[in-house]
Amino acid sequence: AQSVSQHNHHVILSEAASLELGCNYSYGGTVNLFWYVQYPGQHLQLLLKYFSGDPLVKGIKGFEAEFIKSKFSFNLRKPSVQWSDTAEYFCAVEDTGFQKLVFGTGTRLLVSP
Amino acid sequence: DTGVSQDPRHKITKRGQNVTFRCDPISEHNRLYWYRQTLGQGPEFLTYFQNEAQLEKSRLLSDRFSAERPKGSFSTLEIQRTEQGDSAMYLCASSHPRTGLTGAEAFFGQGTRLTVV
Repeated sequence: AQSVSQHNHHVILSEAASLELGCNYSYGGTVNLFWYVQYPGQHLQLLLKYFSGDPLVKGIKGFEAEFIKSKFSFNLRKPSVQWSDTAEYFCAVEDTGFQKLVFGTGTRLLVSP
Repeated sequence: DTGVSQDPRHKITKRGQNVTFRCDPISEHNRLYWYRQTLGQGPEFLTYFQNEAQLEKSRLLSDRFSAERPKGSFSTLEIQRTEQGDSAMYLCASSHPRTGLTGAEAFFGQGTRLTVV
């Protein structure tokens, strides 16, 4: 069965620092890839998604992610974080044809002003 | 608000009682999902509907759990004879598949936090 690993459980950064959150999945078939964000007290919101095409995808709020098929990875990046990026970030994978998301355990990001 | 709506937001129940949660998806979305999230974990898939048909159930969904979507609109998730291990956040999501393509963005509700005491 598909599984998703997020190796960084907690990340603390200062404002303007660069961010990279790792995400690896286990099954190498055709997949759809997502990053969701959950701000404190709010519901999960889609940050960005990859279905096909250019492996470098851009999302909201200056986030981007790169799909590297050979490494089964979909890492999230942002060149300069803001205090308002403090949230929990979840990577999710959908095996095409299976119609459900498999989530990683999440990474809590704290950005200090 | 035209997002996914869940009710109640919080539920505290005694062990052994039955509870029912409701989810109202985004109106034009024909897929509806239930997930469960415990502390320190990501959401785990429980079940999903395409219109009124329940197409898949996770092994996490024991016989005490039942979900319905009678008219292909709102859905209910019932837990019978609750146990302390059922304490979790129950999330509902909906999506509308991309015509002729696979994959779709799932929109999540705010969840129902269940505490079994």
